Amino acid sequence: DGGITQSPKYLFRKEGQNVTLSCEQNLNHDAMYWYRQDPGQGLRLIYYSQIVNDFQKGDIAEGYSVSREKKESFPLTVTSAQKNPTAFYLCASSIRLANSNQPQHFGDGTRLSIL
Amino acid sequence: DAKTTQPPSMDCAEGRAANLPCNHSTISGNEYVYWYRQIHSQGPQYIIHGLKNNETNEMASLIITEDRKSSTLILPHATLRDTAVYYCIVRVALPGSGNTGKLIFGQGTTLQVKP
Repeated sequence: DGGITQSPKYLFRKEGQNVTLSCEQNLNHDAMYWYRQDPGQGLRLIYYSQIVNDFQKGDIAEGYSVSREKKESFPLTVTSAQKNPTAFYLCASSIRLANSNQPQHFGDGTRLSIL
Repeated sequence: DAKTTQPPSMDCAEGRAANLPCNHSTISGNEYVYWYRQIHSQGPQYIIHGLKNNETNEMASLIITEDRKSSTLILPHATLRDTAVYYCIVRVALPGSGNTGKLIFGQGTTLQVKP
């Protein structure tokens, strides 16, 4: 089935450690996104990528890094510089077409906690 | 900040229609309205979107007022599995080509479907 796969579902990080969250899609979508969701709050955009080998900072990029070496993959690294990393991380993708308003489709998220 | 306002919670009897309202009085002429829902610990699920005409798909109907300042999501025959947080979203365009956009999720409406 086509979709977006995020792994792992749960992740624990020690202080000072970098961790990488995986996001893979087989929808042939050009654009991919990372959002963060804190308890009882809406989603906030961390990074986005409109095409392979290109990505842009979103609203809360500090302490995070991404890469987009392949169309189907958009991993997110939570670095030790991110002081409050405990959150639910969501990856999304969408068709990238001029004048298109096609929706973003989400994975099932990764829940990151600090040990 | 979210460009939409929704009631925080609603109840609906199983088998009845659920009508979820949303105000988006500052929406621009070319901005679409999107509806998603989120069940606890899962990624948001796309439901429907529209610009100015009413839309219907296998999940729901979307009614947009003529002045486009408000809309209503209709689940025609609610089931217990429709219990979720429903988000009404006006997408904000992101810089660059390709018409990508970020979704600004507000608090949403918690719909409780009761037997």
